[in-house]
Amino acid sequence: DSGVTQTPKHLITATGQRVTLRCSPRSGDLSVYWYQQSLDQGLQFLIQYYNGEERAKGNILERFSAQQFPDLHSELNLSSLELGDSALYFCASSVAETGTGRSEQYFGPGTRLTVT
Amino acid sequence: QKEVEQDPGPLSVPEGAIVSLNCTYSNSAFQYFMWYRQYSRKGPELLMYTYSSGNKEDGRFTAQVDKSSKYISLFIRDSQPSDSATYLCAMSSLYNAGNNRKLIWGLGTSLAVNP
Repeated sequence: DSGVTQTPKHLITATGQRVTLRCSPRSGDLSVYWYQQSLDQGLQFLIQYYNGEERAKGNILERFSAQQFPDLHSELNLSSLELGDSALYFCASSVAETGTGRSEQYFGPGTRLTVT
Repeated sequence: QKEVEQDPGPLSVPEGAIVSLNCTYSNSAFQYFMWYRQYSRKGPELLMYTYSSGNKEDGRFTAQVDKSSKYISLFIRDSQPSDSATYLCAMSSLYNAGNNRKLIWGLGTSLAVNP
């Protein structure tokens, strides 16, 4: 158990809908990262927050948005869902930001999103 | 050219074998190197974390970094069927600005250890 929690574990929804995925980082971690992993694909970095502030963006679609709250939990919002958005969505956390010491990332168990 | 190259395999070895997994990279600024293990449809699990060059050992796992060759390795001794998973390398530079904040990932090597 990495100490990172994600809810829900599974989500099934229809095209065009909007969903929110939630992540609680490990105690003491200030950075939160979101990743997408489609079937048999590599990890695609979406976005990073550090202590409530957006710090880095990857290939995140405009239909997707995220935020980190004062209690450091984070939410990833996916809207106007398409079939191709079906994937595993992982949250990770680290004490410090990437590029500094203590930046190793610990991953949650993921949310499996199925868009029908 | 991708910043990080990793042979996807699959790699199949008998139980008890020594496994060597490798990644090459092109960015000489990379200083932090990590190896993760991912079981099917589970979250990646951090195995090893090293800074700069050298070796690091933890149980049956040894991580090596050769910065002159831009090459990192993970060795697994006495491999077990439970080691069957995908192994991902990841790395980042020292500087905390702009795109340097991102962790750059290999695509992963699929390993099967056969009893």
